[in-house]
Amino acid sequence: DAKTTQPNSMESNEEEPVHLPCNHSTISGTDYIHWYRQLPSQGPEYVIHGLTSNVNNRMASLAIAEDRKSSTLILHRATLRDAAVYYCILYSGGGADGLTFGKGTHLIIQP
Amino acid sequence: NAGVTQTPKFRILKIGQSMTLQCAQDMNHNYMYWYRQDPGMGLKLIYYSVGAGITDKGEVPNGYNVSRSTTEDFPLRLELAAPSQTSVYFCASSYNPRGYTFGSGTRLTVV
Repeated sequence: DAKTTQPNSMESNEEEPVHLPCNHSTISGTDYIHWYRQLPSQGPEYVIHGLTSNVNNRMASLAIAEDRKSSTLILHRATLRDAAVYYCILYSGGGADGLTFGKGTHLIIQP
Repeated sequence: NAGVTQTPKFRILKIGQSMTLQCAQDMNHNYMYWYRQDPGMGLKLIYYSVGAGITDKGEVPNGYNVSRSTTEDFPLRLELAAPSQTSVYFCASSYNPRGYTFGSGTRLTVV
């Protein structure tokens, strides 16, 4: 699976929107973009995924660049409970060994 | 539904001891995975299984063994514990190799 690049950490204020970037310049045409997050002392949890079009769900929005070489996870109104490590992962579904997790972005939310 | 259940939550082992980390899921998922997470790092895949009776090695399988006799259970065995196996272990399951549900983890210390 292609590699992703994320900032090590980001800081935001409570009740403000948060934009978490992810670069994936070597993405292939069959790679889906997945986002997971890991709250402190918990296992990762699924956030959202997409292929080409922007996606929305109850947790977040995913904005995908037209050339698909970058994407942005958008938390519309951050709360203290959104403080977590956010992982951007590419996966084409071709192998049963599933998702490869990098170091992710540590999101800090200030009250 | 309980989701993915891992036991124990914490364990301290002496060098050379053996133990089994238990993982059970009640979602009838075919795919199951074991990851380890060292401090400040992402998750690394140890072993995975695509169904009962079928297992395969991930990125870091040395020092571990698995079995999958039922769809529900996927235990991870450490035969001769070493300090390098001090880590947090996460089990996950999925219907396909993308949408994972993780357990809450087992924190293992080898002294």
